Amino acid sequence: QKEVEQNSGPLSVPEGAIASLNCTYSDRVSQSFFWYRQYSGKSPELIMSIYSNGDKEDGRFTAQLNKASQYVSLLIRDSQPSDSATYLCAVKRPGNTGKLIFGQGTTLQVKP
Amino acid sequence: DAGITQSPRHKVTETGTPVTLRCHQTENHRYMYWYRQDPGHGLRLIHYSYGVKDTDKGEVSDGYSVSRSKTEDFLLTLESATSSQTSVYFCAIGRGTGLAGATGELFFGEGSRLTVL
Repeated sequence: QKEVEQNSGPLSVPEGAIASLNCTYSDRVSQSFFWYRQYSGKSPELIMSIYSNGDKEDGRFTAQLNKASQYVSLLIRDSQPSDSATYLCAVKRPGNTGKLIFGQGTTLQVKP
Repeated sequence: DAGITQSPRHKVTETGTPVTLRCHQTENHRYMYWYRQDPGHGLRLIHYSYGVKDTDKGEVSDGYSVSRSKTEDFLLTLESATSSQTSVYFCAIGRGTGLAGATGELFFGEGSRLTVL
């Protein structure tokens, strides 16, 4: 079992729809979770971080965390073609080194 | 812009040759990381640094060494490159200061694409 698992996709949604990206993790003691976006040929960029159970909203993005189920999700409302990218879920290892374990990423395609 | 530059951006080399990739930051961050990204494997941590001359191994450190003699520079060396080290290498800096350590919020450089023939 991989430590951080994501469906590689591609996930295809029409423009204006809600895109739902999911991630599960195996280490129950994990406390910090992140979503990075990576456009083709570019470097990853941080878009959301979440540390507590529940929802965290930032503009069109909502991150959801359920530690009991070891599940993290990212919702993108009003999806735009510019949201087409690979979304990487990352879990921080316990401790203060900032080491992250990444999932393989889910490719999102938003069709006009 | 987190002020990270990687060099070289592209390199083609032959098996058995040494290769050094450089990561340079301008913002005095304590934490720096080297990741590699391969299809089917995602991003995997090679080595990281938590200060000058303070480095440690990540999950895929075999065949790699690092050095950090100055805060701003983190070097990744492949002593004898192999075809399995063909990859895209990303350097990242991490936010975090003091006893709380690094937060996990990383800012990545533009990547270095290495091809080992």
